[in-house]
Amino acid sequence: NAGVTQTPKFQVLKTGQSMTLQCAQDMNHEYMSWYRQDPGMGLRLIHYSVGAGITDQGEVPNGYNVSRSTTEDFPLRLLSAAPSQTSVYFCASSPPGQGGGGYGYTFGSGTRLTVV
Amino acid sequence: DAKTTQPTSMDCAEGRAANLPCNHSTISGNEYVYWYRQIHSQGPQYIIHGLKNNETNEMASLIITEDRKSSTLILPHATLRDTAVYYCIVTSGGSNYKLTFGKGTLLTVNP
Repeated sequence: NAGVTQTPKFQVLKTGQSMTLQCAQDMNHEYMSWYRQDPGMGLRLIHYSVGAGITDQGEVPNGYNVSRSTTEDFPLRLLSAAPSQTSVYFCASSPPGQGGGGYGYTFGSGTRLTVV
Repeated sequence: DAKTTQPTSMDCAEGRAANLPCNHSTISGNEYVYWYRQIHSQGPQYIIHGLKNNETNEMASLIITEDRKSSTLILPHATLRDTAVYYCIVTSGGSNYKLTFGKGTLLTVNP
């Protein structure tokens, strides 16, 4: 049981490049989310999904796309990277219902992205 | 979702109880109080949640006032590894999949 796995752990992109941040969970969780965290700030929600085939925008969705074709995977795509997207990105998953069955959201270890 | 207010930072001596307050005066009847923590550079970790009753698990206790306008997270015997940013989050009953993180409280446990 690996939990939430994010790849890569570190990435440097040039402005205008595109890339996909991968997120996979092996807990059969229905809910998955992507957050970004800038220095000294709390986490901000980018996109979320309440099940396969269902996605919605969070607080800061611009410049990012998501899809959820399977329960396990929830990739985050940067369409045309900008320096403002330099951040740490966290993926999280949870069972449905309040409290996620008593365990809340499980977070991955993060992807540290730098756009130059 | 109701807004929360937490102190920016707190100190606690190792082995003593750490009591972290959170104000959520605009909380409504179907909103839950969640606590997460983030140890430096790691992903946040779920601690505990509650609606109106006090809750306890292996990590902590959550005390919610009778009017539900504030709560306190209690770490009964703080260790150095409990040094982290602690986030108090309120979510509505139908949207617990969306967590709104504030800046949290930096708890520093001192030897």
